[in-house]
Amino acid sequence: DVKVTQSSRYLVKRTGEKVFLECVQDMDHENMFWYRQDPGLGLRLIYFSYDVKMKEKGDIPEGYSVSREKKERFSLILESASTNQTSMYLCASYWLDTQYFGPGTRLTVL
Amino acid sequence: EDQVTQSPEALRLQEGESSSLNCSYTVSGLRGLFWYRQDPGKGPEFLFTLYSAGEEKEKERLKATLTKKESFLHITAPKPEDSATYLCAVQASGATNKLIFGTGTLLAVQP
Repeated sequence: DVKVTQSSRYLVKRTGEKVFLECVQDMDHENMFWYRQDPGLGLRLIYFSYDVKMKEKGDIPEGYSVSREKKERFSLILESASTNQTSMYLCASYWLDTQYFGPGTRLTVL
Repeated sequence: EDQVTQSPEALRLQEGESSSLNCSYTVSGLRGLFWYRQDPGKGPEFLFTLYSAGEEKEKERLKATLTKKESFLHITAPKPEDSATYLCAVQASGATNKLIFGTGTLLAVQP
């Protein structure tokens, strides 16, 4: 079974804080993805990574950065959190033509 | 532009009342169409992948079908535990493994 874990289920941060969201997969997959999910907008791709230290912008990268120093770990960074980044964040790992998702992190920025 | 549209946005069924969810898509070369189930507050759970028109996949009370323009998720004799949001996504032919998602259909099955 593919297992994708995310560091927190719920997170509350203040405006201007630096926020780290971590995602770990245990299957040595090369491709990993970060999405945010908002009501009425569906899942939107923020960044993805082909391999260690390889990254590419998705559809809504503004205000975010990513880090992939090890193959199993893909981090999403909010350099200075803002209230419009309150959302559900989902990480996915790609294996055999399919993306498998983690449980999600519900981030609230006050 | 590649696009996925799901309908209806929400569907309420009585237990045992069969129905279908629709996913229509426009994409420059379909590499695969995916169905996911998502429970409230959780990540999407993979259900099916369809690759070519005419293909069908089944799992318990769910059956997914694919044509050149759309996919249907048929739910036969649903139970309350089938209540969830069902997401459709497409992967276009090309060098990346990105998915384009629809906004989902919220299914409620009442006992």
